[in-house]
Amino acid sequence: AQTVTQSQPEMSVQEAETVTLSCTYDTSESNYYLFWYKQPPSRQMILVIRQEAYKQQNATENRFSVNFQKAAKSFSLKISDSQLGDTAMYFCAFMIAYSGAGSYQLTFGKGTKLSVIP
Amino acid sequence: NAGVTQTPKFQVLKTGQSMTLQCAQDMNHEYMSWYRQDPGMGLRLIHYSVGAGITDQGEVPNGYNVSRSTTEDFPLRLLSAAPSQTSVYFCASSDRDRDSNQPQHFGDGTRLSIL
Repeated sequence: AQTVTQSQPEMSVQEAETVTLSCTYDTSESNYYLFWYKQPPSRQMILVIRQEAYKQQNATENRFSVNFQKAAKSFSLKISDSQLGDTAMYFCAFMIAYSGAGSYQLTFGKGTKLSVIP
Repeated sequence: NAGVTQTPKFQVLKTGQSMTLQCAQDMNHEYMSWYRQDPGMGLRLIHYSVGAGITDQGEVPNGYNVSRSTTEDFPLRLLSAAPSQTSVYFCASSDRDRDSNQPQHFGDGTRLSIL
């Protein structure tokens, strides 16, 4: 079974500053996907960024980037130039990459509540 | 293209009542799942289905029942609601291509309160 740990229940950042959210995971699998989801007060689950474990290059999406350390089983999210609209819950999630009945399941961390302060 | 549609968006039940949360997707996805979200717990998998007629249990299946008679619909049934089932429920669907930009599509959630 996989586990995902987010050790920061709440964080805050000044507008325009940079913030890093932490995520660690535990798995015996060698091939998998990692994701960061954003959940604003509207409750929608919005995919922010994804990383394939076989790729060494860290994923980036505009102001969002990850630091993927496979050996350390660490997957942190960096948000640059924070904006008020970034205020949300952020969830780290894991999905295995093999084909099979349970292979589309997402295992989530408990989330980090991020507040961007004007 | 509506994506994943959940109904209702809000519901209040009394202990012991039954109800069905509806989930429908129009993307012809084979895989569908139900998660519950509780404060401080993240999202946890309740049940999932890999196609019509095939369902299986996730991490927290007790008190819930599912069926998958069509590709489009995956309802979640509470047979006798309990206060511990107060939560926000999300339905999600996925196609086979996990390398797609959107590996799972989520509905907007149902907030359920059991009194």
